Amino acid sequence: QKEVEQNSGPLSVPEGAIASLNCTYSDRGSQSFFWYRQYSGKSPELIMSIYSNGDKEDGRFTAQLNKASQYVSLLIRDSQPSDSATYLCALGGDTGRRALTFGSGTRLQVQP
Amino acid sequence: GAVVSQHPSWVICKSGTSVKIECRSLDFQATTMFWYRQFPKQSLMLMATSNEGSKATYEQGVEKDKFLINHASLTLSTLTVTSAHPEDSSFYICSAPFVSTDTQYFGPGTRLTVL
Repeated sequence: QKEVEQNSGPLSVPEGAIASLNCTYSDRGSQSFFWYRQYSGKSPELIMSIYSNGDKEDGRFTAQLNKASQYVSLLIRDSQPSDSATYLCALGGDTGRRALTFGSGTRLQVQP
Repeated sequence: GAVVSQHPSWVICKSGTSVKIECRSLDFQATTMFWYRQFPKQSLMLMATSNEGSKATYEQGVEKDKFLINHASLTLSTLTVTSAHPEDSSFYICSAPFVSTDTQYFGPGTRLTVL
């Protein structure tokens, strides 16, 4: 049974700051990791995927993966009020044959 | 990214009626699609895995006779909520993995309100 743990928040950061969202998982065999953003009343939107240890950057977003520590994080630089949403961490599902395993999400609030 | 559509985006129906929700992968084929339900301020809950050309796989506690899933083609899965009741009111979301990868794209969701 895969488990994904996230702090539910809310995580409150001032506009322009770096928001750091964290996720731990229990299945050492997990190979693929994803961050989704979900605005209230909307469906999840894919932000980033990461498969290898280390950092992966895409614009203001950086995903970090440490398989030894079973830890994946998402950094959002220069946070904007529009980044206020719930961020979901997810583990891969066997090349699409199984659903992703989601954490319960962390609610981020960026204060103007 | 890949596009997944859902129709309708919202529906209001009377108790006892059936509602069909369509999920389409618009620019890729999906032999598998997933159906989720989300109640307000709660996490996504996986309901079932829809398999093209075969029976759906339901999660524990989800009534297969109430939530009928049909995956008749490589781009279309449908979820029919039969004899809907107010407790079925929720946000229903489908997702599809992109071409044998783990990357999944979500449809925009269908908000069901049963009166």
